[in-house]
Amino acid sequence: DAGITQSPRHKVTETGTPVTLRCHQTENHRYMYWYRQDPGHGLRLIHYSYGVKDTDKGEVSDGYSVSRSKTEDFLLTLESATSSQTSVYFCATDNGGEQYFGPGTRLTVT
Amino acid sequence: GENVEQHPSTLSVQEGDSAVIKCTYSDSASNYFPWYKQELGKGPQLIIDIRSNVGEKKDQRIAVTLNKTAKHFSLHITETQPEDSAVYFCAAGNTGFQKLVFGTGTRLLVSP
Repeated sequence: DAGITQSPRHKVTETGTPVTLRCHQTENHRYMYWYRQDPGHGLRLIHYSYGVKDTDKGEVSDGYSVSRSKTEDFLLTLESATSSQTSVYFCATDNGGEQYFGPGTRLTVT
Repeated sequence: GENVEQHPSTLSVQEGDSAVIKCTYSDSASNYFPWYKQELGKGPQLIIDIRSNVGEKKDQRIAVTLNKTAKHFSLHITETQPEDSAVYFCAAGNTGFQKLVFGTGTRLLVSP
């Protein structure tokens, strides 16, 4: 897992509440990514970071924001969760080579 | 932008048989093609990758082939074993900073 942890691993929340997912890496990789995984869609890129405080939008960024204040941490925030954001969220890192994934966070929005 | 299509969506084989999963991509600028294996409840794990300057790469029972002209690449697993059962994803992107685009996955079931 290339030293990637995600927290929490499971979360149930109500529609309209804010949610923050955390990704922590110990590999000192420059690049970090957030994906969501849904049946029939594979993995889709939400946001990515190419350095501290440097982030950009991916394919499905609406309703999500990110922050990266340290090399090792990349936070994904749902400002006001909706049922369509029920999914499994994966963090990934790379250093210009292979991309490695964390164990995932299963988020359910009721 | 890039679009990756993956077939088949499910594949059932007998132990010892070979399995082939195929992907096509749309962006001729893509030059990096990894394959990931995902077991139930876990994150995707990189199993093999290929870059556009190579036509084929092999690692024990796993091989990947790339046809840049036709824009397709394939994963070949020989002598399949029950532990090969998982969901496999192909992806396309660029070396260096990678904004990978993934296929929709193939569920491989290897029966003893």
